[in-house]
Amino acid sequence: EVQLVESGGGLVKPGGSLRLSCVVSGLDFNTYTFNWVRQAPGKGLEWVSSISSSSTFIYYAESVKGRFTMSRDNAKNSLYLQMNSLRAEDTAVYYCAREVYYGFWKFDYWGQGTLVTVSS
Amino acid sequence: QSVLTQPPSASGTPGQRVAISCSGSRSNIGSKTVNWYQQLPGTAPKLLIYNNDQRPSGVPDRFTGSKSGTSASLAISGLQPEDEADYHCAAWDDSLKGPVFGGGTKLTVL
Repeated sequence: EVQLVESGGGLVKPGGSLRLSCVVSGLDFNTYTFNWVRQAPGKGLEWVSSISSSSTFIYYAESVKGRFTMSRDNAKNSLYLQMNSLRAEDTAVYYCAREVYYGFWKFDYWGQGTLVTVSS
Repeated sequence: QSVLTQPPSASGTPGQRVAISCSGSRSNIGSKTVNWYQQLPGTAPKLLIYNNDQRPSGVPDRFTGSKSGTSASLAISGLQPEDEADYHCAAWDDSLKGPVFGGGTKLTVL
């Protein structure tokens, strides 16, 4: 069974930092690109970041560029999202998701999400 | 404000057919494939349709996807109470160099 389990969310003050983790099991972690996608309360989904299988390619949405850093540890089947200089508008549930591309792309496996609340 | 445009809500009665639209531009839907995700209350999104009209294993054939030009549509036939959920469309965007989503459509089964 494929599982993606996020952790690390919580309440943080504006300007603060938080590190999210996502542990993946049930698939060959080393061969896939993974993404972080977030959903603000009552809002739609927003792509945040992606990382290729060997960390060669890492991309960010403009809204988080320069503040967030995505990384992975293939030995631990884990993804990370280091979030610095947090703002109220970063408040959201953060999901990790596997990406596959076969001439078309899809996010086919998602974690259950972890809530990040940025508030004073 | 989302890059792809969806109606905020839709509704239907059990057994009915409903359709949810998703409008984009040449840099996303117009040139790339569309995915649809179903999000039941309090849960993570689940892949419902990929590559415009393909269903993952286990998704009932009551759910059908289509695309024309810069718009896409998700149709649900034989509506059931358990279909009550948020539905999100998504496509890769060449200009933004990443995936973009619609704002989501809340489907209510009356």
